[in-house]
Amino acid sequence: AQKITQTQPGMFVQEKEAVTLDCTYDTSDQSYGLFWYKQPSSGEMIFLIYQGSYDEQNATEGRYSLNFQKARKSANLVISASQLGDSAMYFCAMRESTGNQFYFGTGTSLTVIP
Amino acid sequence: DSGVTQTPKHLITATGQRVTLRCSPRSGDLSVYWYQQSLDQGLQFLIQYYNGEERAKGNILERFSAQQFPDLHSELNLSSLELGDSALYFCASSVAAGHQRGTQYFGPGTRLTVL
Repeated sequence: AQKITQTQPGMFVQEKEAVTLDCTYDTSDQSYGLFWYKQPSSGEMIFLIYQGSYDEQNATEGRYSLNFQKARKSANLVISASQLGDSAMYFCAMRESTGNQFYFGTGTSLTVIP
Repeated sequence: DSGVTQTPKHLITATGQRVTLRCSPRSGDLSVYWYQQSLDQGLQFLIQYYNGEERAKGNILERFSAQQFPDLHSELNLSSLELGDSALYFCASSVAAGHQRGTQYFGPGTRLTVL
């Protein structure tokens, strides 16, 4: 079974609008971490936001917030007030407390339309 | 700038050859991870080192090997290269191994082209 599932290969959003990128995960661990990374066309992988499984509050970092629904095993990324520079691939990732691997999803390509 | 450095940025070589990719982690980070990103395979975890010792192995081919040196920099060696090895190779580092938070910070990547 896939550890991380991103079902939206591509998304479009109007500039200044909000957009939600979906991510579901699969783990039997009680303790785990969830991450989102951005990969612009230049290729680098940029860390955006982190959510711990025991964190009661949804994580926020500037215009990024993580909609964490533990029972549904979902960790959707919300980008508010989209900007042209947000056009990129976005990857959801998970680290379990057992083992040392990061598991990455297949990514969602976001295009911001002016 | 993540603080992780990788050299070279680009590498073009021929099938059957051997190359070495180099990574320097962020200051203070003990864990180094290697990933391969190709168009058809996505982001694949290869291997992880923590303070000089191998900690986890992913989808790493036997033709590939890695090590982490006492100064914590790491090298990924790719040998008997095939066309399918053409990809973007990332190094990432984190403070600890196995810590839940353990955010990984990625280097800029090395783009390998095998002709």
